[in-house]
Amino acid sequence: KNEVEQSPQNLTAQEGEFITINCSYSVGISALHWLQQHPGGGIVSLFMLSSGKKKHGRLIATINIQEKHSSLHITASHPRDSAVYICAVRETSGSRLTFGEGTQLTVNP
Amino acid sequence: NAGVMQNPRHLVRRRGQEARLRCSPMKGHSHVYWYRQLPEEGLKFMVYLQKENIIDESGMPKERFSAEFPKEGPSILRIQQVVRGDSAAYFCASSPTFSNQPQHFGDGTRLSIL
Repeated sequence: KNEVEQSPQNLTAQEGEFITINCSYSVGISALHWLQQHPGGGIVSLFMLSSGKKKHGRLIATINIQEKHSSLHITASHPRDSAVYICAVRETSGSRLTFGEGTQLTVNP
Repeated sequence: NAGVMQNPRHLVRRRGQEARLRCSPMKGHSHVYWYRQLPEEGLKFMVYLQKENIIDESGMPKERFSAEFPKEGPSILRIQQVVRGDSAAYFCASSPTFSNQPQHFGDGTRLSIL
């Protein structure tokens, strides 16, 4: 079992829909990151959070430390949101990031 | 205010050759991380360096791979005697300090082995 599990693996939505991507982890962490990767492109850091909730534009990230779970929400989705969204955790014991397998999001016009 | 710069973006090598991947961290960042993304797989940690020091190399293959971050110049990930299985995207990230600071990623180097 991976230390970081994301669901769903693939997600197709219509433009304007509200989207949720989930991330569960099994280790103690000091921070959780949400990253975005476009095909053939680089990686953009969307959020880093260790508690509560953060919002940036149409993106919202939440984390529940007790339940070891985080969600990434996209409101009013747009085709340009199509990308792979990756959850990554920094364990309390070290410096490395451990990544989920990613969620491929496709938003159709 | 340049971000993390990686070069080359694409690198093609024949089996047995050496590959050198470069990463210049963001200005003011002294911590560098290398990650590998194999085809159809997720990202995996390789090595964490500070200036002139390797802090954690627990994700590096034991043979053929090495990394450095000299006092002057970029961080280098070096792969000797490359094999087909080394084909992957290699990403570098940097952060200003070890403590809970976001890591900023480069655009990656796509390494293809013929």
